[in-house]
Amino acid sequence: DAKTTQPPSMDCAEGRAANLPCNHSTISGNEYVYWYRQIHSQGPQYIIHGLKNNETNEMASLIITEDRKSSTLILPHATLRDTAVYYCIVKTGANSKLTFGKGITLSVRP
Amino acid sequence: EAGVAQSPRYKIIEKRQSVAFWCNPISGHATLYWYQQILGQGPKLLIQFQNNGVVDDSQLPKDRFSAERLKGVDSTLKIQPAKLEDSAVYLCASSLRFSLAGELFFGEGSRLTVL
Repeated sequence: DAKTTQPPSMDCAEGRAANLPCNHSTISGNEYVYWYRQIHSQGPQYIIHGLKNNETNEMASLIITEDRKSSTLILPHATLRDTAVYYCIVKTGANSKLTFGKGITLSVRP
Repeated sequence: EAGVAQSPRYKIIEKRQSVAFWCNPISGHATLYWYQQILGQGPKLLIQFQNNGVVDDSQLPKDRFSAERLKGVDSTLKIQPAKLEDSAVYLCASSLRFSLAGELFFGEGSRLTVL
């Protein structure tokens, strides 16, 4: 599976959009981009995934560049409860495992 | 819908002792995973079951770790004997079926401290 690169940390103001970047320049055509988050003392939580097209659900939006070498997770109106470690993961379909890196720590400030 | 249940939440043992963690996945989920998360790192997959068969245990330290999933439902992860470096949170996760292997549901974890 392709490797991902995320900044170690970022912050944003409550109520503003949080844009979390992820670089996956070696991604191959059959690899999906997954995002999970982990709030302190909890297990990771699935957020969203995508292959080529942008995706949106009730939690977030995922924007994947046309060349698929990078993506951005967007939390449209960040709240204090969104403070967590966010993991960007690239994996192929059913048969490859989910490999977590160190993720990016998002701090939402009041 | 009930989530993934794990117990105990916390365990403190001395090195060379043994410990066991229990996981009950979401009802109907065929695939079960055990991850180890050391402080400051992302979770690392130890073992993956499909029903009661092992799919991937390549990163399981088999000299001291063992896991089973009898009857394809509950699972137990055992460490014997424990080492200091086994101090970590042990996370259990499940997914509905193998084809949705990227959408995992995690429990809250079992935190192990080895003294």
